[in-house]
Amino acid sequence: EAGVVQSPRYKIIEKKQPVAFWCNPISGHNTLYWYRQNLGQGPELLIRYENEEAVDDSQLPKDRFSAERLKGVDSTLKIQPAELGDSAVYLCASNAGQGYNEQFFGPGTRLTVL
Amino acid sequence: GEDVEQSLFLSVREGDSSVINCTYTDSSSTYLYWYKQEPGAGLQLLTYIFSNMDMKQDQRLTVLLNKKDKHLSLRIADTQTGDSAIYFCAESSSSASKIIFGSGTRLSIRP
Repeated sequence: EAGVVQSPRYKIIEKKQPVAFWCNPISGHNTLYWYRQNLGQGPELLIRYENEEAVDDSQLPKDRFSAERLKGVDSTLKIQPAELGDSAVYLCASNAGQGYNEQFFGPGTRLTVL
Repeated sequence: GEDVEQSLFLSVREGDSSVINCTYTDSSSTYLYWYKQEPGAGLQLLTYIFSNMDMKQDQRLTVLLNKKDKHLSLRIADTQTGDSAIYFCAESSSSASKIIFGSGTRLSIRP
């Protein structure tokens, strides 16, 4: 069974440029998460989807960040415009709604903003 | 708000036991987790414990939970070079689907 797929794995852009990250969750997983992991820190939740509905986006900086999951499967996270402080690893995770909430993580996209 | 704290580094000799400690603040935590992250990879769930348990053992891994002190530990027996990674403690409450992570403990193995 394929795991969570993310692309690109690495992205280097100049500040004020736009950037987008793509995630394909494990087949059948209705819940999808986007996290940001700063260097030396644990992941912090940006947004959680149940199917195509964003049920928790309280930590998403909505002035420059947006996300979508139009058909309830794969998802895109966008930053426009990017700032130096956005440099981080962006992780996508999914789960099937078990009681103990095991989340399966993708390898992440490492973003560097110059 | 919820907070999870853990020490940043741990160095152990190959073959010894590693003990990684964690404290959390949310008294409504229902599940507590240990995740492993190897370089360039996402997080992998190692084990979890339900809040009404004191201990859980899974092969070389032993999780101890002191709910009164809000203290969680992960013991890795017979530590091997392949255990080198960052270990994240995390918690979630039954009323939320989100997981709060600590900052991670980097485990290094010396020969």
